[in-house]
This record gives sequence, C-alpha cells and structure tokens, in this order.
Amino acid sequence: AQTVTQSQPEMSVQEAETVTLSCTYDTSESNYYLFWYKQPPSRQMILVIRQEAYKQQNATENRFSVNFQKAAKSFSLKISDSQLGDTAMYFCAFMKLLTNDYKLSFGAGTTVTVRA
Amino acid sequence: GAGVSQSPSNKVTEKGKDVELRCDPISGHTALYWYRQSLGQGLEFLIYFQGNSAPDKSGLPSDRFSAERTGGSVSTLTIQRTQQEDSAVYLCASSLAGTSGNEQFFGPGTRLTVL
Repeated sequence: AQTVTQSQPEMSVQEAETVTLSCTYDTSESNYYLFWYKQPPSRQMILVIRQEAYKQQNATENRFSVNFQKAAKSFSLKISDSQLGDTAMYFCAFMKLLTNDYKLSFGAGTTVTVRA
Repeated sequence: GAGVSQSPSNKVTEKGKDVELRCDPISGHTALYWYRQSLGQGLEFLIYFQGNSAPDKSGLPSDRFSAERTGGSVSTLTIQRTQQEDSAVYLCASSLAGTSGNEQFFGPGTRLTVL
C-alpha cells in the first residue's frame, strides 16, 4: 500500500508571497503519478497539478509548480504570488501507473490561508 | 457541460438508520469512484466502478457499506445501520476511463451526520 504524508497541517501566507507545501510518499512502485488537489470551503476538489514519475522535468501550471525528488520520494508544491482565492485545503495524492488500480491515495491535507 | 453532482448535499440521520447517497458523473465518463473524508483526515478510497467490469470494493470499511452503478451512469452508495463513526463527507469522482493519470473530477460531496 502507498502512504502519503503531509507534515504541515496549516500554513499561512501573505498575499503576493510564496508558500511551499511538503509531501512525501512511500511506495515500492517505480512508475506512478502524483497530484496536488485543492479543496476550497465549497468542498469542490480541483486538480491543481499532475506529475508523471517517469518525467524528470518538474510540472508547472501558471503560479503553481512542483519540486519532484524521486529518490527522496518528495513532491512539494510551490504557490507563487499567492492570491486570496488560493485559500483552501491542499491534498497530495498518489496513483499507480499502468495497472488496474486507479484509486488515489491521499495525504491528510494542508490548510493554506492567504492573508490580505 | 455539467460537472459531477451529488445529492443530498447534507444528510442528518439517526444511528441505526439506512442512508442512500447519490452520484451523477460527468456524461461519457466510464469510471466512477467513491471516497470518504473524515474530519481532519485525508480522503479514503471506498469503491471504484469501470464500465461493465466488476467493481473494486477493496476500500469499503464494512459489510454495512454497498454501492451500485445502474446503466453505467448514476451510482448510489448505501450505508445500512449507520453508526456515529460513519459521519463524514462522502465524495464521488468520475474520469474518462479507468486509465492511469486520467484526471478525476470530483463532486461537491454529501456531508453525512449520524446522531
């Protein structure tokens, strides 16, 4: 089974500043996908960014980028130029690759509050 | 088009009662997933449907939990003889196909409170 650990229950950041969320995972798989999902107070989970483990280049989506360290099994999310709308709970998630096991394994989440 | 919808949005029930939670996936999505989000915890996988294949029920916590998907579309999660520990947000997600890396689109969830 895969274990996903998010060690920061809460983070606070000033508007326009940068915040980095940590995520580590434990797996015996060599190929897999990693995701960051955002859950605002509306409860609607939204995909932020996705990383294929076989790709060395770190994924980037506008103000969101990841630092993927495969050997260290680390997958951190950086939010640049934080905006009030970024206030949400962020979940790191793991999915196996090329099997019939498509379920996501989630971390416990990090609550991010952006201060005006 | 419409996203994943779930009903009811909130459900309060008494211990021992049965409840049914409904999920309408995005049209054309063949894969459907149920997750449970307990207070202060991450999401826990419950069950996965893909087309006409037998569902993956490996995440169901007890035999009080069951789910079905009729006509490859709408799904219903049933919890029998509810217990207080069943209180949680139940999230449904769908994806285009049951293939690795396909984005799962989530509904807004049903908040279940068992008194």
